[in-house]
Amino acid sequence: KAGVTQTPRYLIKTRGQQVTLSCSPISGHRSVSWYQQTPGQGLQFLFEYFSETQRNKGNFPGRFSGRQFSNSRSEMNVSTLELGDSALYLCASRHDRGSYEQYFGPGTRLTVT
Amino acid sequence: SQQGEEDPQALSIQEGENATMNCSYKTSINNLQWYRQNSGRGLVHLILIRSNEREKHSGRLRVTLDTSKKSSSLLITASRAADTASYFCATPSMNYGGSQGNLIFGKGTKLSVKP
Repeated sequence: KAGVTQTPRYLIKTRGQQVTLSCSPISGHRSVSWYQQTPGQGLQFLFEYFSETQRNKGNFPGRFSGRQFSNSRSEMNVSTLELGDSALYLCASRHDRGSYEQYFGPGTRLTVT
Repeated sequence: SQQGEEDPQALSIQEGENATMNCSYKTSINNLQWYRQNSGRGLVHLILIRSNEREKHSGRLRVTLDTSKKSSSLLITASRAADTASYFCATPSMNYGGSQGNLIFGKGTKLSVKP
């Protein structure tokens, strides 16, 4: 099976812009979670989607949003970018039927200037 | 908020030596997982231990869990240069109705294995 894919891999944006990141989960996985990784805060949970519904949301401002499509692919959007949004954004998928392991994509490195 | 805290933050050893990393967590859990990350790339799941297990093995990895002390340890035996990476423990947050899709990670241990 192909692994989790994320596009784009690298992105440079300026403050105030918005960005959309994409994640394709492993075939058959219905749960997709997003994480933000920064040197200062480490890995932080953003949100989880399952069957096109947001199941959980972490402690992030409303500028961070996401969605999931019927094929389980997911996107996350960050509006009005701030310098502090520079981070590695990781997507992970999970089968969800009694399995706990998450399978991560390579991440999208976002730099906000 | 960080659930797990790894110790040490950094560890440097020679090839062939064993590496031990510790993790402490704050709330009750039903499982604890260890992940590896190579230099700013995606995480790779290594091993999961359930709250009713005390020890688990997978190849050169050995994980222990002490729920009374809210701590876990990861032992890598006979380390190799390819084991150089950051290692994170993670637990599902119990704030979200028990969903397993929202892991809380520690800050990680950076392991360097010198050839």
